[in-house]
Amino acid sequence: DTEVTQTPKHLVMGMTNKKSLKCEQHMGHRAMYWYKQKAKKPPELMFVYSYEKLSINESVPSRFSPECPNSSLLNLHLHALQPEDSALYLCASSQAAVAGGAGELFFGEGSRLTVL
Amino acid sequence: GEDVEQSLFLSVREGDSSVINCTYTDSSSTYLYWYKQEPGAGLQLLTYIFSNMDMKQDQRLTVLLNKKDKHLSLRIADTQTGDSAIYFCAERYNNNDMRFGAGTRLTVKP
Repeated sequence: DTEVTQTPKHLVMGMTNKKSLKCEQHMGHRAMYWYKQKAKKPPELMFVYSYEKLSINESVPSRFSPECPNSSLLNLHLHALQPEDSALYLCASSQAAVAGGAGELFFGEGSRLTVL
Repeated sequence: GEDVEQSLFLSVREGDSSVINCTYTDSSSTYLYWYKQEPGAGLQLLTYIFSNMDMKQDQRLTVLLNKKDKHLSLRIADTQTGDSAIYFCAERYNNNDMRFGAGTRLTVKP
């Protein structure tokens, strides 16, 4: 199984809603990532979890709250978002760097978020 | 900040070779990657190269690395319409950080 699975594929929410994006992988990877991608732009790193601990937070607003319940799951909790937060949110995983290897990222198909 | 640079557009005819170029920033980057993104989809890893190599071939894909010039290229032989997509070059520049280029949109004309 070389897949990273993201749900939901599409999400429309109002600015007062609370919703969550979910990501799952069963490759035994110990690093998991959230990226945000706007149209015609490269992915921008938001958060990195390494061994289920938050290791990188790229100055993301607190209305985005990540959670890593276990080594296979990664959530992104959304609250009080703004219309400019509309984007494709990509989850990725990789072998942790300390395990060696190329550390290539495996991406999910993304969750397309629209904030009204 | 420093950027990974790519040309934004490339158009080729079906059956021709495509060459997508990238200039990266950090001479200490250990791995360099090529990702493909089709419309509305996530990024698919195509191939990667370790920084102590200068070439890697995988079926229709050939990656060339010039470490002195920090230049990476991806050659797609016998380009097909299904190869139309955005191609991102990326470098790993510390344990968990990856820097992406802006992406090259490849259009393959029949």
